[in-house]
Amino acid sequence: GAVVSQHPSRVICKSGTSVKIECRSLDFQATTMFWYRQFPKKSLMLMATSNEGSKATYEQGVEKDKFLINHASLTLSTLTVTSAHPEDSSFYICSARSRTSGIITNTQYFGPGTRLTVL
Amino acid sequence: AQKITQTQPGMFVQEKEAVTLDCTYDTSDPSYGLFWYKQPSSGEMIFLIYQGSYDQQNATEGRYSLNFQKARKSANLVISASQLGDSAMYFCAMRGFQGAQKLVFGQGTRLTINP
Repeated sequence: GAVVSQHPSRVICKSGTSVKIECRSLDFQATTMFWYRQFPKKSLMLMATSNEGSKATYEQGVEKDKFLINHASLTLSTLTVTSAHPEDSSFYICSARSRTSGIITNTQYFGPGTRLTVL
Repeated sequence: AQKITQTQPGMFVQEKEAVTLDCTYDTSDPSYGLFWYKQPSSGEMIFLIYQGSYDQQNATEGRYSLNFQKARKSANLVISASQLGDSAMYFCAMRGFQGAQKLVFGQGTRLTINP
């Protein structure tokens, strides 16, 4: 299957700092990338959808100035948590999808996730 | 709007037995895809199986099969000959092929395989 990497896997930061999380599709071109947030023992909550070269579409209730998303290339999307606070502590997972033909078209592949802890 | 419902918060199964994880869905999209993902304690989401709404046959992938009953709007995952390594959270998800095409997840089922 397709591989999506995410970096860093774990980050601990002080309150007020900004944290950047990278998501890369390693063996396919991801025309669309998604960012999810997952609280302990809960399901995945979609935060935003980003298409390469255009602005991200944020879900209702997600602050776009707080969670900056950039999808600068067909293999890279970044999520920046600005001025992080303890309530931003969570597991963040990216996902990528290709528009090309084949099985990848209908399937979203997920990165391994980033566990953010804000002190 | 789309909705996925997984009614089993936890399942306990003896090793080597088959297990069925329930999933029902609701959508107004005429065509859609249904997915199952496995999430072990490490947190990664592992894609297991996909079923398209117009696929004539139920999907199978090794020990995984999807019992798709379109009229009942159910897409249950069947794991045959369960193994200890199957212990994990399992999420059912769907994506409509119109509009925003967002992947919507169910609440998840925690499966525990007992030796």
